[in-house]
Amino acid sequence: DAKTTQPNSMESNEEEPVHLPCNHSTISGTDYIHWYRQLPSQGPEYVIHGLTSNVNNRMASLAIAEDRKSSTLILHRATLRDAAVYYCILRPGADTGTASKLTFGTGTRLQVTL
Amino acid sequence: EAQVTQNPRYLITVTGKKLTVTCSQNMNHEYMSWYRQDPGLGLRQIYYSMNVEVTDKGDVPEGYKVSRKEKRNFPLILESPSPNQTSLYFCASSPRPGTYEQYFGPGTRLTVT
Repeated sequence: DAKTTQPNSMESNEEEPVHLPCNHSTISGTDYIHWYRQLPSQGPEYVIHGLTSNVNNRMASLAIAEDRKSSTLILHRATLRDAAVYYCILRPGADTGTASKLTFGTGTRLQVTL
Repeated sequence: EAQVTQNPRYLITVTGKKLTVTCSQNMNHEYMSWYRQDPGLGLRQIYYSMNVEVTDKGDVPEGYKVSRKEKRNFPLILESPSPNQTSLYFCASSPRPGTYEQYFGPGTRLTVT
């Protein structure tokens, strides 16, 4: 499986934008880039995913480099409720059971302060 | 409300005493799976199910059983729990196998003494 590399931790001030980077230099052409987050004492929560183009949804934006070897999750205005561990995950673009598995790394722990 | 529920949320048991952790989803999802989360090891998949009566092993299936008799339920069975199965367990589901978003339950914290 292709690997991802994320910083262990980041800090942000509330109401400021946050850019969470992820490197995936061995990504294959059919791998999708997924982001999940895990708030304290909760199960992981889907945030966003994309293949080649940048994506936006109500939670965040995903910026994908042109060569797809890196991506950035953007939280436009961080709040205290966004404090969580954020996971960048690659998934093969297939509808098999193996492709459906989420391989979680250690993620980036985001701290948000007032 | 669309959700994945797990019961119990917390369980303390003794070695060898069979237990079942239930997982239920109300979204008519085909795909369901179980993960365990341990410090320093992240989340690892135990078993998954592509649909009713279709189950397969994940990365760490030893000591666990599952069944999928109905679409909404996917129980995790520990026939003879051991202390190394002390962990935080999560059930997840998605509409179909593939690159769909997965919905996770709130977790079950299991302690085996």
